[in-house]
Amino acid sequence: GAVVSQHPSWVICKSGTSVKIECRSLDFQATTMFWYRQFPKQSLMLMATSNEGSKATYEQGVEKDKFLINHASLTLSTLTVTSAHPEDSSFYICSARSLLADKETQYFGPGTRLLVL
Amino acid sequence: KQEVTQIPAALSVPEGENLVLNCSFTDSAIYNLQWFRQDPGKGLTSLLLIQSSQREQTSGRLNASLDKSSGRSTLYIAASQPGDSATYLCAVTAGDYKLSFGAGTTVTVRA
Repeated sequence: GAVVSQHPSWVICKSGTSVKIECRSLDFQATTMFWYRQFPKQSLMLMATSNEGSKATYEQGVEKDKFLINHASLTLSTLTVTSAHPEDSSFYICSARSLLADKETQYFGPGTRLLVL
Repeated sequence: KQEVTQIPAALSVPEGENLVLNCSFTDSAIYNLQWFRQDPGKGLTSLLLIQSSQREQTSGRLNASLDKSSGRSTLYIAASQPGDSATYLCAVTAGDYKLSFGAGTTVTVRA
């Protein structure tokens, strides 16, 4: 149980295009989903927190107009990287908090590797 | 702001040796501390979760201790195997239920 999927697992795009990444909780309802970014040899940095049906809360230094987050249902959150540039190339990981589990528990997706040329 | 530090950044040992990975955090007001494993280009696998009221957790060859007052945790891996080669991340959950991660320790176990 408590499986989180991400799609796509990797994506290559041209500079200036937009890329959408999906995060799904497969067997549970997620009240909250988190989006992280990980650069090579670095740790995961929280980008934003999204709650179903409301606007995402972004961490300091993360551009909300560049990283659009939509959490339209209890099982799906999407991250859209708008007008992507090479410096946006990174590993993006989502996690989800279950409606029924402890608030401290997050289930992680397998990640999406983005390469912007 | 919570700062999580992991030492060493990298570790290489021969097969069979015990591994000791260290994690420290600056704010002791945490709900729990978790250790994760990350293989290259992959997501996270949760290894152990220690609640703030606990001192240690064990799972097979893995044992993690927590000293909340001093802001430290140690992950011990007994009798290391080549399959233990990975990056190990430490993360603490704070009052807002957000996770703060360390930069990780990359472990190489030589056959």
